[in-house]
Parts: sequence; C-alpha cells; structure tokens
Amino acid sequence: DGGITQSPKYLFRKEGQNVTLSCEQNLNHDAMYWYRQDPGQGLRLIYYSQIVNDFQKGDIAEGYSVSREKKESFPLTVTSAQKNPTAFYLCASSSRGASGANVLTFGAGSRLTVL
Amino acid sequence: GQQVMQIPQYQHVQEGEDFTTYCNSSTTLSNIQWYKQRPGGHPVFLIQLVKSGEVKKQKRLTFQFGEAKKNSSLHITATQTTDVGTYFCIGNNNDMRFGAGTRLTVKP
Repeated sequence: DGGITQSPKYLFRKEGQNVTLSCEQNLNHDAMYWYRQDPGQGLRLIYYSQIVNDFQKGDIAEGYSVSREKKESFPLTVTSAQKNPTAFYLCASSSRGASGANVLTFGAGSRLTVL
Repeated sequence: GQQVMQIPQYQHVQEGEDFTTYCNSSTTLSNIQWYKQRPGGHPVFLIQLVKSGEVKKQKRLTFQFGEAKKNSSLHITATQTTDVGTYFCIGNNNDMRFGAGTRLTVKP
C-alpha cells in the first residue's frame, strides 16, 4: 500500500540535543511538507520541498533544518537552536500538478518531548 | 501566502444538532480543500471544491464554494460523536498553509 511513514512515533530528547525525524513516502509525490502542531492549535508550516534538492522555509523554520536528496525522503532535524521543540510533527506529501491538484496525504506524526 | 480565515474556532454541540464552519478569503481562490483531524490523529483529506458555486455532499456533510470563490462552508447535519475533531480548510497555493481550524466537540 502506498503511504507516508514517519518515525519515530514518540521521541524524547534532552535539551541541547539535535534530533532527526524521518519521513518516507512511496506515493511518487513530488512535493513534501513538514508541519508543527502544538496542543489545541492548528498546523504551522516549517519547511516544504516541491522537487528533489530544493526546499523553502515556511513560517517557523528557525531552529529546524531539512534535506531532500531523494524524492521519497524528507527528514527534519530539530536543532538545539529551537527553543521550544516539544510538539507534534506532521509530514505530508502531495502530487504537483495543475492548480487545484495538490491534495495532501499525511503521515501519522511524530510526537517529540524535550525533557 | 494568501490568508484564509476560519470561524468559529471552537464549536460544542449536542449530538443530533447541526454544525457549520466557514472559511473566508480576501482573495479569489482557485480551489479549496477540507480536511478532518480526529483527536490524536493526523489530518485526512475530505474534499476539494473547484467551481464557483459548487456544492458537494458526503452523507451528512455538505460542502459549498461561494460564487466569488472567496468563501466556503462545511455543514454537518445531525452531528454524531464520530464527527468530533478539528476541521481545516485550505485555499490552494504552492505552499499549503493551514488556518487554525474549527474544533468540534459533540456531547452525547
């Protein structure tokens, strides 16, 4: 079955440590996205990539980094520079097409807790 | 990116009551999409509207796209506890930014 796999599902980190969240899709989608969601809040865009080897900052990119070396993979690194990293992180992908063709498919999410 | 505002932010209803959430944009949208996120889950695509004045139904859910393509609504008839969750709309653009959503709670 095609889909998006995020790992780990739960992650605990000590302050000052970097952590990388994995996102893999086998949907052959061109575009991939990372969102952050705090309790009771909406989704905020961290980074997105519309094609391999290219990505753009979203609204809250500070303290995060990404890479897009392969079409299937879009890992997110939460660096020690991110002051409040405890959150639910969602990865999504979409097929790039004509206007109106970008429907998002989400992974199950990774819940990061900083101790 | 373009801003799509969604209201209300929260809605609490008694089971069996109707529910409506609205999305409004200051600019014309090429299309609008609706997603639902159950508590503890991830957003799931519900529907996409493209045409001016379009109305689509999914069982008890009715989706509308305004004539000017600047607003949209999602109406649920006779809510059930399975409708609980947060409903998001997103006006299509290249960077797929979500609004705050409307969180629906249903009292049995």
